[in-house]
Amino acid sequence: AQSVTQLGSHVSVSEGALVLLRCNYSSSVPPYLFWYVQYPNQGLQLLLKYTTGATLVKGINGFEAEFKKSETSFHLTKPSAHMSDAAEYFCAVSDSGGYNKLIFGAGTRLAVHP
Amino acid sequence: DVKVTQSSRYLVKRTGEKVFLECVQDMDHENMFWYRQDPGLGLRLIYFSYDVKMKEKGDIPEGYSVSREKKERFSLILESASTNQTSMYLCASSPMRASYEQYFGPGTRLTVT
Repeated sequence: AQSVTQLGSHVSVSEGALVLLRCNYSSSVPPYLFWYVQYPNQGLQLLLKYTTGATLVKGINGFEAEFKKSETSFHLTKPSAHMSDAAEYFCAVSDSGGYNKLIFGAGTRLAVHP
Repeated sequence: DVKVTQSSRYLVKRTGEKVFLECVQDMDHENMFWYRQDPGLGLRLIYFSYDVKMKEKGDIPEGYSVSREKKERFSLILESASTNQTSMYLCASSPMRASYEQYFGPGTRLTVT
């Protein structure tokens, strides 16, 4: 069965610092991988996704993630944090059971301080 | 742009009431999903539907039912609301093609007192 582990339920960075949010997955089949962002009192918005091809994926708002099959990881990074990046971030992996189901991690809340 | 709307942003209900949460999508997507979101638990799938009148249980279906009479509308029903169903409820939709990308509504924060 697929699963997703996000290391660190809370991450705090200074404005301008590197953002690194960790995601490890398990999957018996080649996965599709996603990062979603949730701002307070809103739904989830897609940041980026990996399906096939290039393993470094660029998303919105300057975020990117690298699919590393050997490490079963899909960590999210941004070179320089902005105050507006404060939100909760969810990593998700495709469910091999079909119907476009996703399995989500528990989420990481990112705080950005001046 | 894909738009998924949910009938209420905030809802307060009493224990034992029957509660209806409505979700509408405007992109002709075949698949629709209901999740609940709780701190530290991420999103957990309650039910999903892959076609009109078709539904499948997710990971935590107990205490819930769903209805999909029209392709664009997917309703979540709490037959007899309980305090442990206080949560954020998120609806999502996805096209049938195997992209797995889901589009989310803004959520309904339900409080059961």
